[in-house]
Amino acid sequence: GAVVSQHPSWVICKSGTSVKIECRSLDFQATTMFWYRQFPKQSLMLMATSNEGSKATYEQGVEKDKFLINHASLTLSTLTVTSAHPEDSSFYICSARDLGGSGANVLTFGAGSRLTVL
Amino acid sequence: DAKTTQPNSMESNEEEPVHLPCNHSTISGTDYIHWYRQLPSQGPEYVIHGLTSNVNNRMASLAIAEDRKSSTLILHRATLRDAAVYYCIPISNFGNEKLTFGTGTRLTIIP
Repeated sequence: GAVVSQHPSWVICKSGTSVKIECRSLDFQATTMFWYRQFPKQSLMLMATSNEGSKATYEQGVEKDKFLINHASLTLSTLTVTSAHPEDSSFYICSARDLGGSGANVLTFGAGSRLTVL
Repeated sequence: DAKTTQPNSMESNEEEPVHLPCNHSTISGTDYIHWYRQLPSQGPEYVIHGLTSNVNNRMASLAIAEDRKSSTLILHRATLRDAAVYYCIPISNFGNEKLTFGTGTRLTIIP
């Protein structure tokens, strides 16, 4: 089945540094990827929709200059948290759909990246 | 976006069936009903999806109301490994609409 690989699975960084999270679709082409963040005991919150070759669409309240999304190829999308602060500490999850398959737009999720900003 | 309503939490005894309900009264005619579950500290995983007819797979069964405004995920024999948060979400087979999740149902399995 479709697999989405997300790295790193966890990262600890100092306040003010930038962190990049990668999301790769391993056996399918993902024209669209979704980025979510999740706080403890809460649901997934959609941050942005990433489209290959074009600018990402950010949800209201999500700063595009803070959370840089690049989707330069059909198999790779990256999320960069710039100048991270402790309040950015969260669980970040990407997902993609294999539109070319017979899975009726089944979402495949990465394993998630836990970011801790000190 | 179609809004979904699920109970915040449910409990079930191990090895008993579990019925997880979801209301999606504003679902459009082209939306499939998808279910995903999220184990602790992991990304969500696909469980099952359907359009109109009931569906079965190795993980679960999906019962869809005739008017498609609600559905029920059925775990036939719950195990401790089924403890997770279960999300239902209508997803169109066309286009790239944004996919937002509701609060989901936190399922606790009692040994």
